[in-house]
Amino acid sequence: DVKVTQSSRYLVKRTGEKVFLECVQDMDHENMFWYRQDPGLGLRLIYFSYDVKMKEKGDIPEGYSVSREKKERFSLILESASTNQTSMYLCASLTGVGETQYFGPGTRLLVL
Amino acid sequence: RKEVEQDPGPFNVPEGATVAFNCTYSNSASQSFFWYRQDCRKEPKLLMSVYSSGNEDGRFTAQLNRASQYISLLIRDSKLSDSATYLCVVNGPTGYALNFGKGTSLLVTP
Repeated sequence: DVKVTQSSRYLVKRTGEKVFLECVQDMDHENMFWYRQDPGLGLRLIYFSYDVKMKEKGDIPEGYSVSREKKERFSLILESASTNQTSMYLCASLTGVGETQYFGPGTRLLVL
Repeated sequence: RKEVEQDPGPFNVPEGATVAFNCTYSNSASQSFFWYRQDCRKEPKLLMSVYSSGNEDGRFTAQLNRASQYISLLIRDSKLSDSATYLCVVNGPTGYALNFGKGTSLLVTP
């Protein structure tokens, strides 16, 4: 079974803090993704990466950056957390075009 | 126009009922189609892929109509455990990233 893990299930941070969300997959997938999910807005793509050290902006990259130093790990960074970044963050990975995405359990981030 | 559109529901149906969800997509070049299921406060999980010829998995049937750019999911003999949000998913312009609908909420009642 594919396993995608995220470093925290719940996180509380203060406005202005730098926040790191980690995602690790164990199936040697090349492609990894970060989404946020908000009520009424559905899943929105923040960034994705199709190879180590490669990254592409998704639909809502503002206020976020990412890092992919190793194939199995994809990190999402909030440089200076703001209250409008309170959300559920979901990481996903897949093998290639047309394949299924597998999601991690999500991180519920609250920014105070 | 949104990439993927679904009726948000909620659909409230009694156990044993048949229920159908539709979804439309805007990118005619899309090649991959899926239905995901998401339980409350959990991550989305693949329910089934959708193939051009239509496909069935137990009580679930998925169909694709490329000409009209819509996808459907039929659930027969609904169970209480089918209560969830069903997400219609289509691959995006890059081919890698997927576009998710906002989901259709289903509640199956005793």
